[in-house]
Amino acid sequence: NAGVTQTPKFQVLKTGQSMTLQCAQDMNHNSMYWYRQDPGMGLRLIYYSASEGTTDKGEVPNGYNVSRLNKREFSLRLESAAPSQTSVYFCASQQGGGQGNEQFFGPGTRLTVL
Amino acid sequence: GESVGLHLPTLSVQEGDNSIINCAYSNSASDYFIWYKQESGKGPQFIIDIRSNMDKRQGQRVTVLLNKTVKHLSLQIAATQPGDSAVYFCADVSNFGNEKLTFGTGTRLTIIP
Repeated sequence: NAGVTQTPKFQVLKTGQSMTLQCAQDMNHNSMYWYRQDPGMGLRLIYYSASEGTTDKGEVPNGYNVSRLNKREFSLRLESAAPSQTSVYFCASQQGGGQGNEQFFGPGTRLTVL
Repeated sequence: GESVGLHLPTLSVQEGDNSIINCAYSNSASDYFIWYKQESGKGPQFIIDIRSNMDKRQGQRVTVLLNKTVKHLSLQIAATQPGDSAVYFCADVSNFGNEKLTFGTGTRLTIIP
């Protein structure tokens, strides 16, 4: 099993450009999450999807949209990137349904917005 | 809002010694606590968890202690090794069915050879 995979690993955008961060998991997990991590800070939840077909806002959703394409894939979209969105983005998945709280994380996408 | 934080941002420990990383939380309704380890350039990795109805749980070389009276959580790593150098995060789950984690800011542990 590959676990949680993310693409791309690195990305540089100009202010106002758009892009989609991709995430996929092969563990048949129900729940998926997008976090951002800024220097000296812990992870902050952007959006999550408790199950296929549902998405909910987390702590810092402004400027982002998400799509739970199917059970495996959960994408994060920046419609108009801003320098404040420079960060490392992590996707995670979890079995969900009250069957365990361990979240498995991908390797991250390092995004720089100029 | 609720917060999960750590007492110290950095900690250096001699190889072979034991280390203790502390975490304070503010949400009395937290059901569940998790410690994650994050190595440089990687995503966080689960270490150990503890339910709020427990006060101690042991894993391989790690022990988590929970003191609900003072809302304090600690991670003890025994006989530290160079591979233990990383940033350690505590996280809590306030609603077990919700399954959303709130992360602390992290403690960078450095093992001195």
